Amino acid sequence: NAGVTQTPKFQVLKTGQSMTLQCAQDMNHEYMSWYRQDPGMGLRLIHYSVGAGITDQGEVPNGYNVSRSTTEDFPLRLLSAAPSQTSVYFCASSPFEKRAETQYFGPGTRLLVL
Amino acid sequence: QQQVKQSPQSLIVQKGGISIINCAYENTAFDYFPWYQQFPGKGPALLIAIRPDVSEKKEGRFTISFNKSAKQFSLHIMDSQPGDSATYFCAASMVEDSGGSNYKLTFGKGTLLTVNP
Repeated sequence: NAGVTQTPKFQVLKTGQSMTLQCAQDMNHEYMSWYRQDPGMGLRLIHYSVGAGITDQGEVPNGYNVSRSTTEDFPLRLLSAAPSQTSVYFCASSPFEKRAETQYFGPGTRLLVL
Repeated sequence: QQQVKQSPQSLIVQKGGISIINCAYENTAFDYFPWYQQFPGKGPALLIAIRPDVSEKKEGRFTISFNKSAKQFSLHIMDSQPGDSATYFCAASMVEDSGGSNYKLTFGKGTLLTVNP
């Protein structure tokens, strides 16, 4: 199993540009989520999904959209990038019954918005 | 409102020493307390976790001590090794709604541990 994979590893955007951060998992996990990690801030939840077709907002959802058309994929969309979205983004997945216990994180995408 | 407070921000320990990282939480509804370990350039990985019905959990050189009345828990790394150098995050989780579809996992801000050889 590849686990949780994320692409790209690094991306530079200009303010106002849009992009999609890709996340995929091959563990058949129902629960998937996106976090952003900023220096001195820990990890903050952006959006999460409990299964295909079901998504909801986390702690810091503004400026981000998500969709979940399949169990495997959970892309994160930035519609109009802002410098405040410069961060490292982590996707995570978990079996639904373990969602409150164990999160399997991907390697992250480092995003720089100029 | 920061629901999980972690200290110190950074910690330097000599090889063979004991590393101690402390966390405090506010919401008594939290019912699971994991610690995550993150190496540079990698995603966090679950290291060890505890539920509030026990006061201590040990896995190898890693021990969680839990004080429910004080709403505090800590990670102890015995015989610290240079390979333990990483950022450690404490966290606290709870299920937010009766249907169980949403849960809240709140992270501390992290501790950068450096173990000198």
